[in-house]
Amino acid sequence: AQTVTQSQPEMSVQEAETVTLSCTYDTSESDYYLFWYKQPPSRQMILVIRQEAYKQQNATENRFSVNFQKAAKSFSLKISDSQLGDAAMYFCAYRSARDTGNQFYFGTGTSLTVIP
Amino acid sequence: DTAVSQTPKYLVTQMGNDKSIKCEQNLGHDTMYWYKQDSKKFLKIMFSYNNKELIINETVPNRFSPKSPDKAHLNLHINSLELGDSAVYFCASSQYVTGPGYGYTFGSGTRLTVV
Repeated sequence: AQTVTQSQPEMSVQEAETVTLSCTYDTSESDYYLFWYKQPPSRQMILVIRQEAYKQQNATENRFSVNFQKAAKSFSLKISDSQLGDAAMYFCAYRSARDTGNQFYFGTGTSLTVIP
Repeated sequence: DTAVSQTPKYLVTQMGNDKSIKCEQNLGHDTMYWYKQDSKKFLKIMFSYNNKELIINETVPNRFSPKSPDKAHLNLHINSLELGDSAVYFCASSQYVTGPGYGYTFGSGTRLTVV
């Protein structure tokens, strides 16, 4: 089984500032996908951003961007211009490109607080 | 027009009871899943179905039995509920065949509390 590690159980950021959430993973595969999911207090899991391992270019979705370092097996999420609505639990997830079951492996999550 | 809907959202029941959680998706996806989120927020897969066929069956007690009447539905039945079954259960779906790199669409979760 793959291992996904989020070493920051909790983070906080001032509104309008930038914050980076870290994620590392362990795999021997070369082809896979990485994701960040957001879980606000409503409990709904929301896909924030995804990255294909074969792409060198870092994914960007509006204020969210990733720093994908394949050799280091690192996949951090940067949130720019933080907003109160960004407060949530953030999960990093890994999915093998060859996994017939399409199973996701999740990290333990980082709880992000946005300070007004 | 909810994409993945789970019912009920909350379930409080006594030890020893049998309960079911229903899940339906209207996205036309061919793969559905059940994940369990424990009290520490850790998400772990329980089952995966592709076109009504069981693909993943992780090590969960056999008191948990998934049932997929068609590819749009995946229900979870739990027999003889125990205190340790208290958790949030998420249903999810994805289009495996054409979109293995795309994320899941999750339901809103069912918070199960066993007393």
